[in-house]
Amino acid sequence: DTGVSQDPRHKITKRGQNVTFRCDPISEHNRLYWYRQTLGQGPEFLTYFQNEAQLEKSRLLSDRFSAERPKGSFSTLEIQRTEQGDSAMYLCASSLEQGANGYTFGSGTRLTVV
Amino acid sequence: GQNIDQPTEMTATEGAIVQINCTYQTSGFNGLFWYQQHAGEAPTFLSYNVLDGLEEKGRFSSFLSRSKGYSYLLLKELQMKDSASYLCAVRAPYSGAGSYQLTFGKGTKLSVIP
Repeated sequence: DTGVSQDPRHKITKRGQNVTFRCDPISEHNRLYWYRQTLGQGPEFLTYFQNEAQLEKSRLLSDRFSAERPKGSFSTLEIQRTEQGDSAMYLCASSLEQGANGYTFGSGTRLTVV
Repeated sequence: GQNIDQPTEMTATEGAIVQINCTYQTSGFNGLFWYQQHAGEAPTFLSYNVLDGLEEKGRFSSFLSRSKGYSYLLLKELQMKDSASYLCAVRAPYSGAGSYQLTFGKGTKLSVIP
């Protein structure tokens, strides 16, 4: 078990471009979360998958954002027509079920929109 | 609504004890977590409280009072490597969608000095 993997670690893009991030959760974890963290803030919830079903989305997730988890394993988060305000660390986390250990986070993808 | 407050920064001396407080006002409660986050890295799980009282885990202890909406993280025998941000997070009750999402405070940046 290598933990939660995210790719890429860093992404610099020009405003208006589309970007896609990937998350590979811990293999037996059926719950997958995307969070966004800006400098000096705690992570903010974006969306949640249970297996392949996207069951919850935050109001932070504008229509430029879309997330998928096609086979209930890895997940992708796409941002279309990026804006400077999208610059943040995008964190993926996974868990097996509600329990005492919370989530396991990946190392994140740091997005810079220039 | 969700409101979680923590001090922004703290400084403590190597070998000493430090207490990081967290107060919360949330629309529901299903457990409180503490995470450690080194700069540029993923948050890592430290502790979990769902009932009132103290949970001890090595050099780290966490306390919860649900009636007061209050928790603290106690770090003993501070080491330089403990310099990091400490995030307090409250887990939401069952939402129907089953996400049990975490709402994070902004984090407390702890600096350990020699």
